[in-house]
Amino acid sequence: QQQVKQSPQSLIVQKGGISIINCAYENTAFDYFPWYQQFPGKGPALLIAIRPDVSEKKEGRFTISFNKSAKQFSLHIMDSQPGDSATYFCAASISFGNEKLTFGTGTRLTIIP
Amino acid sequence: GAGVSQTPSNKVTEKGKYVELRCDPISGHTALYWYRQSLGQGPEFLIYFQGTGAADDSGLPNDRFFAVRPEGSVSTLKIQRTERGDSAVYLCASSLIPASDTQYFGPGTRLTVL
Repeated sequence: QQQVKQSPQSLIVQKGGISIINCAYENTAFDYFPWYQQFPGKGPALLIAIRPDVSEKKEGRFTISFNKSAKQFSLHIMDSQPGDSATYFCAASISFGNEKLTFGTGTRLTIIP
Repeated sequence: GAGVSQTPSNKVTEKGKYVELRCDPISGHTALYWYRQSLGQGPEFLIYFQGTGAADDSGLPNDRFFAVRPEGSVSTLKIQRTERGDSAVYLCASSLIPASDTQYFGPGTRLTVL
């Protein structure tokens, strides 16, 4: 059972544009929603995370938008740069439990000049 | 300080063999996780350790998989009678408890079963 659905599978954005990746979850017990960035041959690295008590969180060029009623959240990358080309995973977990992460299937982002 | 390290980085084995994968977490991190990432997929949870004990092993696919963390630091994932379907990248992550959600991942071990 896939509890976190992620789209699109791949995304091509022009340099300077906005990259948008969407995720939807099923388990209403989830209360922590991180985004991870992964480069080839490397492990995932935390990019930004949000909890359901806020609808938006911004860190530099990266913004998470969260819609609790729709059980959806998205990652926006402003002014996308070639160095942002990577695979992005959304994830979800239940805090103060074992906090194991349930990941989406990933989005391969390519930023073209 | 050093991040999470995993050894070996690559492991090629034959079907039916036994393998051990090692994870060194960040010093002082009491929580340790193992995930498995198949090609083109997101990581999937295998097992979680809090200290020395396996607090949640619900993600282990079958009894050929076993993991230990005898001193609450280094962990070893053990796979018996490997099958071709076990081929994947095995990721280890650690986090600082209490109440810390950030999991720091290692680079993974790429396991190939021929």
